[in-house]
Amino acid sequence: AQSVSQHNHHVILSEAASLELGCNYSYGGTVNLFWYVQYPGQHLQLLLKYFSGDPLVKGIKGFEAEFIKSKFSFNLRKPSVQWSDTAEYFCAVSGNNRLAFGKGNQVVVIP
Amino acid sequence: AAGVIQSPRHLIKEKRETATLKCYPISRHDTVYWYQQGPGQDPQFLISFYEKMQSDKGSIPDRFSAQQFSDYHSELNMSSLELGDSALYFCASSFRGSGANVLTFGAGSRLTVL
Repeated sequence: AQSVSQHNHHVILSEAASLELGCNYSYGGTVNLFWYVQYPGQHLQLLLKYFSGDPLVKGIKGFEAEFIKSKFSFNLRKPSVQWSDTAEYFCAVSGNNRLAFGKGNQVVVIP
Repeated sequence: AAGVIQSPRHLIKEKRETATLKCYPISRHDTVYWYQQGPGQDPQFLISFYEKMQSDKGSIPDRFSAQQFSDYHSELNMSSLELGDSALYFCASSFRGSGANVLTFGAGSRLTVL
C-alpha cells in the first residue's frame, strides 16, 4: 500500500516569504501525486497534480511542485505567500485507485 | 458545473444512534469514495465504489456500511454511533475511465456525536 510523509506539521511565516513543504511517498508501482489545500472550515481542493511528463508542475494560486523520482519526493513551493494562503496542505499519492493522504502541513501566514 | 454534493452538511446525534450521509457525485463520474477526517487529522479512506460495486475497502468500522445506487449516488450508514465517530466525512468522485484518477471532493458532512 502507498504511504505519504509530510514534515514540519506547523509552519508560520510572514507575507511575501517563500514556502516549501516536503512530501515523500512510498509505493512500488506507478503513482499519481497530488497536493490538496483545505482552507479553514472548507473542503479539500486540488492545488496541482502530477501524472507523467515534466516533473515540474504548476498549479493554481502560484503554487508549483517538483517530482523527483530518485528521492520519492513531491515538494510544494510558492515563492511569495499571501495571508490568504493560510490553510492546511495535504500531499496525496494515488495507487491502485486509492488516494492516500499525508498528515498535512498547517500553514499560517502572518500579515 | 455542479460539484460533489453531500447532505446533510451538519448532523448531531447521540451515542448508539444511527446516521445516514448522502453523496451525489459529479455527473458521469463512475467512482465514489468516502473519507473520514477527525479533528486535526488527515483524511482516512473508508470505502469506494466503482460502477455501483464496492471496489476498495479501507479503515471502515463494521458498524458502518455503504452502497452506491443505480443513479450513482452513495449513502454511508453508521450505526451504534460512538463519540469517536465525530468527524468530517468527505465524499469524492472521479471518472476512472479517463485513466487519470483525479478525485473531486464534496464539502463534507460534519457529524457530531454527543
